[in-house]
Amino acid sequence: SAVISQKPSRDICQRGTSLTIQCQVDSQVTMMFWYRQQPGQSLTLIATANQGSEATYESGFVIDKFPISRPNLTFSTLTVSNMSPEDSSIYLCSGGDRFYEQYFGPGTRLTVT
Amino acid sequence: GDSVTQMEGPVTLSEEAFLTINCTYTATGYPSLFWYVQYPGEGLQLLLKATKADDKGSNKGFEATYRKETTSFHLEKGSVQVSDSAVYFCALTLTGRGSTLGRLYFGRGTQLTVWP
Repeated sequence: SAVISQKPSRDICQRGTSLTIQCQVDSQVTMMFWYRQQPGQSLTLIATANQGSEATYESGFVIDKFPISRPNLTFSTLTVSNMSPEDSSIYLCSGGDRFYEQYFGPGTRLTVT
Repeated sequence: GDSVTQMEGPVTLSEEAFLTINCTYTATGYPSLFWYVQYPGEGLQLLLKATKADDKGSNKGFEATYRKETTSFHLEKGSVQVSDSAVYFCALTLTGRGSTLGRLYFGRGTQLTVWP
């Protein structure tokens, strides 16, 4: 199994600013993903974080708004840029080496005012 | 497209009651199926999984059987406890050519509350 930590655990930000969320895995993993969970809703995939190359974004998400880095097999960051209140959500990263075992971080609860 | 449909919540039960949360899926190829649990204020934890038809996943008294003929993966527990109160998510991942390995498709989630 993999243990995933995220920083910060929560933040309150003003509109128009940016926040970078860090995701750290305690072991090397092949696959890492970023999801968004809006209040009371399910999880929506933002992008696949690819090590050493550009992230692969899902429909409705763009690199300018959600730039992602993944410099190695244990770390990734997601930036939420030029935030608006609609970006208020929980952001979760996941990772794993096997398709049938994906582990999740505790999430970052973001509130944009 | 590929998707997961879960029964609407919330579900409220008394302790020691029987639990069923229905989950059906639509997928190309042969997906693997999962149940994740999210306790208040926490991230998702993998509860159980099944990677092929007729497999039964089980953990902590919860069970689910991969039914290809009915495209279902219903979660059951014979006797729930107060500590089982959480949100439960059914999910699938695809393993065929062209799929993003590890990418999960989630259902809406079902809130379970168990009263003593």
